Amino acid sequence: DAGVIQSPRHEVTEMGQEVTLRCKPISGHNSLFWYRQTMMRGLELLIYFNNNVPIDDSGMPEDRFSAKMPNASFSTLKIQPSEPRDSAVYFCASNAGQIPYTQYFGPGTRLTVL
Amino acid sequence: DQQVKQNSPSLSVQEGRISILNCDYTNSMFDYFLWYKKYPAEGPTFLISISSIKDKNEDGRFTVFLNKSAKHLSLHIVPSQPGDSAVYFCAASARDDKIIFGKGTRLHILP
Repeated sequence: DAGVIQSPRHEVTEMGQEVTLRCKPISGHNSLFWYRQTMMRGLELLIYFNNNVPIDDSGMPEDRFSAKMPNASFSTLKIQPSEPRDSAVYFCASNAGQIPYTQYFGPGTRLTVL
Repeated sequence: DQQVKQNSPSLSVQEGRISILNCDYTNSMFDYFLWYKKYPAEGPTFLISISSIKDKNEDGRFTVFLNKSAKHLSLHIVPSQPGDSAVYFCAASARDDKIIFGKGTRLHILP
């Protein structure tokens, strides 16, 4: 079975540009999570969806960040405009909604904002 | 305020010896605890979990111990192997599918 798929794997952009990260969760999983990993803050949850509905977006840093999940097999995380401090690895994860709520992670997108 | 804390950023252990990774938590509502392993350029992968009603869970070389009164858990790897070199994340959940992760501990297995 295919795992969580993320694209692109690497993104280099200039400050002020719009960045869109994409994620395809594991088929049949009903929860999807976006994380950001940095050296200073570790792995922090940005937002998560359950059955395509955003449940908790308290981790979204500011209005420049937005996320959507138009259907069960696709989600996007958009940063507009991007800033150098957004440089990080962004992970998408999904789970099947069963205890112990084990999440399965994608390979991540390494974002560099110049 | 960090709810899940891994106070050792890194740990070096001789191959064949025991590796012990520690984790502390503050939220008494957590009822499941998980350990994830991460290699460079890959996403974290699930390793082992434990329910709050247990104090030990074992899976091959990996054992997780939970001390609820101390709000402390640990991951033991015996014997340690070169492929165990990775970053290990401790994580916890409180009756929903949101997981809180620690900052991770980098484990180096020395030859």
